[in-house]
Amino acid sequence: DTGVSQNPRHKITKRGQNVTFRCDPISEHNRLYWYRQTLGQGPEFLTYFQNEAQLEKSRLLSDRFSAERPKGSFSTLEIQRTEQGDSAMYLCASSSTRSGTGGHEQYFGPGTRLTVT
Amino acid sequence: EDQVTQSPEALRLQEGESSSLNCSYTVSGLRGLFWYRQDPGKGPEFLFTLYSAGEEKEKERLKATLTKKESFLHITAPKPEDSATYLCAVQPGSQGNLIFGKGTKLSVKP
Repeated sequence: DTGVSQNPRHKITKRGQNVTFRCDPISEHNRLYWYRQTLGQGPEFLTYFQNEAQLEKSRLLSDRFSAERPKGSFSTLEIQRTEQGDSAMYLCASSSTRSGTGGHEQYFGPGTRLTVT
Repeated sequence: EDQVTQSPEALRLQEGESSSLNCSYTVSGLRGLFWYRQDPGKGPEFLFTLYSAGEEKEKERLKATLTKKESFLHITAPKPEDSATYLCAVQPGSQGNLIFGKGTKLSVKP
């Protein structure tokens, strides 16, 4: 399977703990995105990388959130001092800017469901 | 401000009853409009990209169309397996990220 993969699929943590999620994009894709989705809402953009460079960050990404893509392959999203409001589905997507088309289709992984108790 | 509004929020259809989902948008320089399907507990599944007004794309029972202000997803003779939430998203010209609507939850009863 060459799709986007995310680990873990589910994470339950206590308020105040740190958590880290991993995303492995489609192998030839140079862009990687993180989104957050809560019940009844569409995905909300958090940040994205082109290769190893973090190009854009949403205002939703508070200083408790940090993302890395050290070698331009997989990425990690860390949340420090988790709060109950962080409970959500965290989605990763990847795309290629080499397709030559105007818009770049983003392909999503299955998500990591975070529950903060 | 870039914005996407989808209607209706929920739609119930009988099997075989055709209908349309609406996606209205305001965006600075549209790079692309995207439709996704999302099943409960799963990530969105890519369906279509539309780039310019007048463009249409089809896949099985689904057909997506685009004007300068809105997009429609037409569902012809739906089946129960078409039940899902359908998400619309736009990519502004100056950005890499997508801006999503809240989705339309479609239920198709046999």
